Order: sequence, then C-alpha cells, then structure tokens
Amino acid sequence: QVQLQESGPGLVRPSQTLSLACTVSGGSISSADYYWCWIRQPPGKGLEWVGYIYYTGSTYYNPSLKSRVTISVDMSKNQFALNLTSVTAADTAVYYCAREDSSGWIDYWGQGALVTVSS
Amino acid sequence: NFMLTQPHSVSESPGKTVTISCTRSSGSIASNYVQWYQQRPGSSPTTVIYEDNQRPSGVPDRFSGSIDSSSNSASLTISGLKTEDEADYYCQSYDTNNEVFGGGTKLTVL
Repeated sequence: QVQLQESGPGLVRPSQTLSLACTVSGGSISSADYYWCWIRQPPGKGLEWVGYIYYTGSTYYNPSLKSRVTISVDMSKNQFALNLTSVTAADTAVYYCAREDSSGWIDYWGQGALVTVSS
Repeated sequence: NFMLTQPHSVSESPGKTVTISCTRSSGSIASNYVQWYQQRPGSSPTTVIYEDNQRPSGVPDRFSGSIDSSSNSASLTISGLKTEDEADYYCQSYDTNNEVFGGGTKLTVL
C-alpha cells in the first residue's frame, strides 16, 4: 500500500519561503508510471494545483504560481519537495502531496499539512 | 488554459438520485480523462470515478460517471443517496499544458 506523508513547518512568516517534503513509502518515486504532485486547499475553499514532478526531473507548475514555485525530487530518500517563495497570507492552505498516474488519476493522497502564513 | 465549472451546491433526499455536472470551457471534454473526488470535512480527497467512468475498488456502484460531448461536460451521478454521501465533490482533468480542478460542489443529503 502506497503512503505519502507531508512534513515541514506549520507557520511561515510573510515574504519567507514555504518548504515542505513528502516521503513516499510502499512505492518507488523513480517509477516511470507516476507523477508526484503538490495540491493545496485554502481554508474553506477548493482544491488548487501547485505542480508536479516526474522521475526524470521534468516539472509542471500552475501558471499563477510558476514564478515562485520549485518542486524537486530526492531519489535517495524517496522524497519530493516543494519550495514556495515570497509567501503572503493568500498562501495559507492545507498542502497535499499526491501521486498521479499517466491517465491523470490522483490515486494516492497524503493526509495534508496546514501551513499558515502569519507574522 | 481551460476551466471546469461545477454548480456550487446541490441537495437531494435520501434514496433519490443526484447528478453533478462539470463543464469544460475550451477544448473537448472527450480529449482527456475526467476524474471525480469526494472530500469529507477534515479529510483528504478520495476517488469515486477515474478515467471518465471507472470506479476504484471499494466504491459502490451507486456512483457512476459519464461524459457528453454535445454539452462538453462530464457528470457524476449518485443513486440511492445515503446521508454518508454528503460531502464536497471535485472534478479534475488536464491537457498538454494544464492540470485543472473544478471549483467543487457541496452535496447536501437532507
């Protein structure tokens, strides 16, 4: 059974960088069959794509966040990571890591990590 | 970029049937698979339909999905409604350059 677990600070100061990691267990992040995703959900609002990374290192970023987002992968730790720079209160959200297959199906989600941007 | 538009909310009585629509703003709905996710308060989303009309194991056959090219939309139909179906439902699709969620529909089973 594949499991994904987010980790990182729950509070980030405005203008600083939000950094989260996602540890994958029960499956290899180097698989050619999957994309490794970050999705966020502001309190009381809907789901929003942040982006994804493929095992080759190729990435997709939401155009509205592209200038501030970096997603990277660490094969040795079976982890992938999210960096979001210059955060504001609008970046406050539950951040989910997830696995997407080649048909676009997100078949596994992490439990989510609430990140609050506040001074 | 395309958008997926869902009704903000729907409500129906237990035992009845409800359909939630998801309309694609540009590009053909049939060009890329549509998925549907259920999200209960405080929980991560779970899949109820993938690849337009497939149910993951464990999802009851009361849940079905379809696409309609004439209206460029996808639909999630839940029959024999139960109070446990009350949740938010999101459609999701993609194209070469974009990954998109619909805005979500709050289903109330009253």
